[in-house]
Order: sequence, then structure tokens, then C-alpha cells
Amino acid sequence: ELKVEQNPLFLSMQEGKNYTIYCNYSTTSDRLYWYRQDPGKSLESLFVLLSNGAVKQEGRLMASLDTKARLSTLHITAAVHDLSATYFCAVDGSGWTGTASKLTFGTGTRLQVTL
Amino acid sequence: SAVISQKPSRDICQRGTSLTIQCQVDSQVTMMFWYRQQPGQSLTLIATANQGSEATYESGFVIDKFPISRPNLTFSTLTVSNMSPEDSSIYLCSVEARLLTGGSEQFFGPGTRLTVL
Repeated sequence: ELKVEQNPLFLSMQEGKNYTIYCNYSTTSDRLYWYRQDPGKSLESLFVLLSNGAVKQEGRLMASLDTKARLSTLHITAAVHDLSATYFCAVDGSGWTGTASKLTFGTGTRLQVTL
Repeated sequence: SAVISQKPSRDICQRGTSLTIQCQVDSQVTMMFWYRQQPGQSLTLIATANQGSEATYESGFVIDKFPISRPNLTFSTLTVSNMSPEDSSIYLCSVEARLLTGGSEQFFGPGTRLTVL
């Protein structure tokens, strides 16, 4: 059974600081997603990481994937208040066979950026 | 990308009743997925709905409790049957859509917030 763990569960950080959220998963997978969820809203796709060593950046967020270590990171640079949300990683457990994705989600990291 | 709508957006229901949630996609997709997000928790996959065949349920979820229909390639329903307060959750449908740049991505609907009294 695929297990996905995120840490930390909760992160309070000041504006302008840097921090990293970690996502570990238990079985081989070559596709990993990062999502953002604002309170009372649905999920917004941030990144799709498809291969070992993949790195993607959008604004102050950068995501990377190490399939050998079964680890993905979401790095926040110079945080701003607008980044306050819950961030989920999700791993495709269906196998990279071309079939549609069955995602197993991490526990989520609630990020609070304070002034 | 894919644009997904769900109805209702929220509902408050009495114990023992059933609620059917609708999910509509703006393009044809092979598979649709139903997830549950309990209060303050992460998302858990309930089932995968393939057009023209029975839905495939994940461990801990059964058809009698969560019957699913998939009549065509753009629409699906999830029914939450004989509800109890433990069924209070957000229910989300999702689809995998091909991207113009290649590859695919999974998109989520806005969710249905269910409260059972």
C-alpha cells in the first residue's frame, strides 16, 4: 500500500523567510503532484513532476523530485502573506503505464505566513 | 486543461437520507475519480468511474454506500446513501486531462460540502 508522508504538518513563518516542505512516499512512482488549497476552496494544481531530478519553479515556489530517495520538496523563497494556504503532495500510485492516475495524498502542510 | 463543475456546492442533510452529487466536465474523459476530504484532513480516493463499466472502489468504500453512475464521457454522479454525521465531508470529483504541452495532469472540481445532522 502506497503511503505518502508530509512534514511539517503546520508551518508558521515570517514574511521574507525561506522554508522547505518535504514529501516522502513508500513505493516507486514517477509522477508526483503538488497542490494548493485555500480554506473552503478546491485544489489548485501547482506542479507536476514526472522524472527523477525534475525541478520546476513558479514565482516563489520551487518543487523537485528525487525518485531514488522517494522524496519531493517544495521550497518557498522569501515568503509573502498570499502564500498562506494548505499544500498537498500527491503521488500517482497507478504505475506509469499510461492509465489514468490514482492519487494518494499526503497529510498536507498548513502554511501560515505572518507579517 | 479541464473545467469541472459540481452540484450541489453544499448541502445540509438529515441522518438516514441520501444525497446525489453531480460532476460535469467540459471535455470527454475516460476516467473520473471521486475523493472525500473529511474536516481538517487530506483527500482519500473513494472510487474510479469508467464509462460503460462498474466503478472500482478503494479499500474501505463499498458500492452500497457510495453508488456511482457514469452514463457518458462528460458526466458522473456519486450518491452518499443512508447518511450519518461521519459522512460530513467535502466530496470532490477529478479527471485526468491531456495537456497541449504533452503529458497529463489531474484537475479537481470545486467540491461539494456535505453536512449531516
